[in-house]
Amino acid sequence: SQKIEQNSEALNIQEGKTATLTCNYTNYSPAYLQWYRQDPGRGPVFLLLIRENEKEKRKERLKVTFDTTLKQSLFHITASQPADSATYLCVPGPDSGYALNFGKGTSLLVTP
Amino acid sequence: DSGVTQTPKHLITATGQRVTLRCSPRSGDLSVYWYQQSLDQGLQFLIQYYNGEERAKGNILERFSAQQFPDLHSELNLSSLELGDSALYFCASSGDRGTPYEQYFGPGTRLTVT
Repeated sequence: SQKIEQNSEALNIQEGKTATLTCNYTNYSPAYLQWYRQDPGRGPVFLLLIRENEKEKRKERLKVTFDTTLKQSLFHITASQPADSATYLCVPGPDSGYALNFGKGTSLLVTP
Repeated sequence: DSGVTQTPKHLITATGQRVTLRCSPRSGDLSVYWYQQSLDQGLQFLIQYYNGEERAKGNILERFSAQQFPDLHSELNLSSLELGDSALYFCASSGDRGTPYEQYFGPGTRLTVT
């Protein structure tokens, strides 16, 4: 069955630095991968989708890479701000059907 | 604001009771998804409807059921409630093709079972 692993620990960084979150997947090759942001008590917010034929995608201060050889996606936030503090969810496309596995994500804390 | 609405915001009820949660998707979206999030847990996919038909089913208990109406709003019915059903329930919607990407989530309904 598909397995997704994100940074197991919370990530603490200083304001202004680049935050890098890692998502590794095994046992299958998703056709696409999504990243969402979730704040406590609120619904996830869609950020970016990257397809298997795309190496990199950018949106403002966000950048996502998708390495199908390494079976890994990296999510970067440049010039991080305290407002970027949240849980970030890596969500690969399903190996079959339509059900997505959102997992618990990685908690990011950006300190001033 | 995602454009997805959910009611009620909060619900407190007793064990054994039945409740109905309601979701209205974004305008134009045909798919509706339901998720359960217990404290400090990830989102658990429950069920997806596309244009009125059930499309995918996750770990949804037999005590839970859902439907999507002709106007595309959806309802999640939870019956014979147990303490462990206390959680945040999110509804999400996505576009007109039924594919599960780029989902837009509502604010959630916080259910407390006492």
